[in-house]
Amino acid sequence: DIQMTQSPSSLSASVGDRVTITCRASQSITTYLNWYQQKPGKAPKLLIYSASTLQGGVPSRFIGSGSGTDFTLTISSLQPEDFATYYCQQSYGTPRTFGPGTKVDIK
Amino acid sequence: QVQLQESGPGLVKPSQTLFLTCTVSGGSIPSGGYYWTWIRQLPGKGLEWIGYIYYGGSIYYNPSLQSRATISIDTSKNQFSLNLSSVTAADTAVYYCAREGRSRVSYYGMDVWGQGTTVTVSS
Repeated sequence: DIQMTQSPSSLSASVGDRVTITCRASQSITTYLNWYQQKPGKAPKLLIYSASTLQGGVPSRFIGSGSGTDFTLTISSLQPEDFATYYCQQSYGTPRTFGPGTKVDIK
Repeated sequence: QVQLQESGPGLVKPSQTLFLTCTVSGGSIPSGGYYWTWIRQLPGKGLEWIGYIYYGGSIYYNPSLQSRATISIDTSKNQFSLNLSSVTAADTAVYYCAREGRSRVSYYGMDVWGQGTTVTVSS
């Protein structure tokens, strides 16, 4: 299985801050990397697929980058509705695997 | 707008089989282009991919489930289902159905999810 790790596991930030979350795969997954946002009691929401392609309707402040084994999700200016947990997930192979999540909360 | 809705029992006894259904509305499973997927989230934990089915093609399960999972499609109802046998308390989780977009050249993430259904395994 391809193992996914994320850092940090949690962070505190203020509205307007630039936030960066890192995801690493245990082997190269080229750009088969997706990012999701999950709020408490809700299903995850797809933000970015193929490492850097913004899903329709997702604000442009969400930026994905990377290839191979190292990926980044950046929120350029944190908004109140962005406080949530973020997961990366690889679709290079099966079983599909998710990172452990990064919780973004209010400083 | 495609929507997914899970249904099934909220409580299952240990050693029994869990059966969940995902009803697809606003789209047709046989139209192709998607993996129909089951994911679960253990209490307070991250996301675990259970498996997917592609209409007329492949089915894949997470080996971590040790062959207990079966996913199938009922085209007459435009539904897909999950059977999970020999459940234990460790299978207590929120179960989600989702669709993952695919083409011959790429995959596009899980873009539509059901709201999730909570399953508790307890006697």
